[in-house]
Amino acid sequence: QITLKESGPTLVKPTQTLTLTCTFSGFSLRVAGEGVGWIRQPPGKALEWLAVISWDDDSHLYSPSLKNRLTVTRDASKNQVILTMTNVDPVDTATYYCARYDFSSAVLDYWGQGALVTVSS
Amino acid sequence: QAVLTQPSSLSASPGASASLTCTLRSGFNVVSYRIFWYQQKPGSPPQFLLRYTSDSDKQQGSGVPSRFSGSKDTSANAGILLISGLQSEDEADYYCMIWHNSASLFGGGTKLTVL
Repeated sequence: QITLKESGPTLVKPTQTLTLTCTFSGFSLRVAGEGVGWIRQPPGKALEWLAVISWDDDSHLYSPSLKNRLTVTRDASKNQVILTMTNVDPVDTATYYCARYDFSSAVLDYWGQGALVTVSS
Repeated sequence: QAVLTQPSSLSASPGASASLTCTLRSGFNVVSYRIFWYQQKPGSPPQFLLRYTSDSDKQQGSGVPSRFSGSKDTSANAGILLISGLQSEDEADYYCMIWHNSASLFGGGTKLTVL
C-alpha cells in the first residue's frame, strides 16, 4: 500500500523560508523510475505543479516561475522528500501536496492528503 | 494567456455524457502532447484518471471505470475527457495537465455538476 503524508508549519511569516516534508511508504526512491512531485493549490483555486525529484537524485525539475525559490531534496533512507521555498509571500498560501511520480508514465499516481500552509504576518 | 484553458463549469444530467475540453494555446500543438486528466472531489486530493496521447497510446488510472475516456480534437487543438453514463459521484473538479520542457502545467479546472 502506497501512502504519502505532508508535514510542516501551518503558519509562516512573509519573507521566511518554508520547509515541508513528504514522508512516504510503499515505494522506494532507491528504485529506478520512482520519483516524488510537489503540487500546490491556493484556497478555491487551481492546481499548480511545483517540482519533481528522481530516484537517482539526478533529476530535479522545477516550475520555471518558481525555480529560483524552490529546492527539493531527498533522504532515501528515511523515505522522505523535502521541499524548501524561500522568501514566502501571502500568495504562497495554499494546500501543498506531495505525490508519487512514475517517470516511465509521467503520472502522479498516489497523492498525500495535503498540508495547508498560511503565509501571514 | 494560459497554456491550458478549461471551461470553469459544466452541468449535465445523470445518465448523460459530458465532454470536458482542455484547449492548448497557439504554439502548443495538441498532437505533440500527452494529455493527463485528474479528478478532485471536495476536501480530497486529486486522483489520476487517465492519460491520452492517441488511440494506440493511452493509460487508464487504476480502478478508473471505462466510462471515463480521452480523446483529442485536433481542429480545436484540444484534449477531451469524455464521461459517459454520468453518476452523481462524478460531480467534481477536473484538471488537465501536460508536460512541456521538463515542467508540468495544469489547466484551470472544470467544475462538473451532475443534476
